[in-house]
Amino acid sequence: DADVTQTPRNRITKTGKRIMLECSQTKGHDRMYWYRQDPGLGLQLIYYSFDVKDINKGEISDGYSVSRQAQAKFSLSLESAIPNQTALYFCATSEDKDTQYFGPGTRLTVL
Amino acid sequence: RKEVEQDPGPFNVPEGATVAFNCTYSNSASQSFFWYRQDCRKEPKLLMSVYSSGNEDGRFTAQLNRASQYISLLIRDSKLSDSATYLCVVMGNQGGKLIFGQGTELSVKP
Repeated sequence: DADVTQTPRNRITKTGKRIMLECSQTKGHDRMYWYRQDPGLGLQLIYYSFDVKDINKGEISDGYSVSRQAQAKFSLSLESAIPNQTALYFCATSEDKDTQYFGPGTRLTVL
Repeated sequence: RKEVEQDPGPFNVPEGATVAFNCTYSNSASQSFFWYRQDCRKEPKLLMSVYSSGNEDGRFTAQLNRASQYISLLIRDSKLSDSATYLCVVMGNQGGKLIFGQGTELSVKP
């Protein structure tokens, strides 16, 4: 079984809808991250959490919110989706300042 | 200026060729450096960390030049399976946050 899972894997939604992307990990890591990737661009950090009580904004947090429900779960929400949020979204985990392990990604399309 | 810059490529090389990628970073206080590999629209996976003394893992060699703020990856004897996008990644001085380059696409042809 995969150590880092994301649901859904693909989602098509309409402008203005609220969307939640979920991430779960079995690696026992305290640190979790959400990134988005657009064609021709590197991964951009949206939010990150170093433990259950810690939430931090990344480079591009506007239009997004997160919830760290438990050590193993970190959800990303788009409160009112817009077309330029169409992207590939990755969740990642790490133990301290170590290697980050990525989930398989969620492909989101906002029409 | 982007914090981490890479030539996006694509680099098209024949099997068996040696190919090198460079990457520059802007924050001189950056602490850690990595190369990740990403297959077409799949998740990035760590290829290797980059140490000041340089390091080698089989056909892959990574080097860091702190004075010039660049990182390199050398792939010898390229295989078809090496075809992927290679991401240069830098950890800043704020601990734990990775900054990704846009990636360099490599295509190895028979």
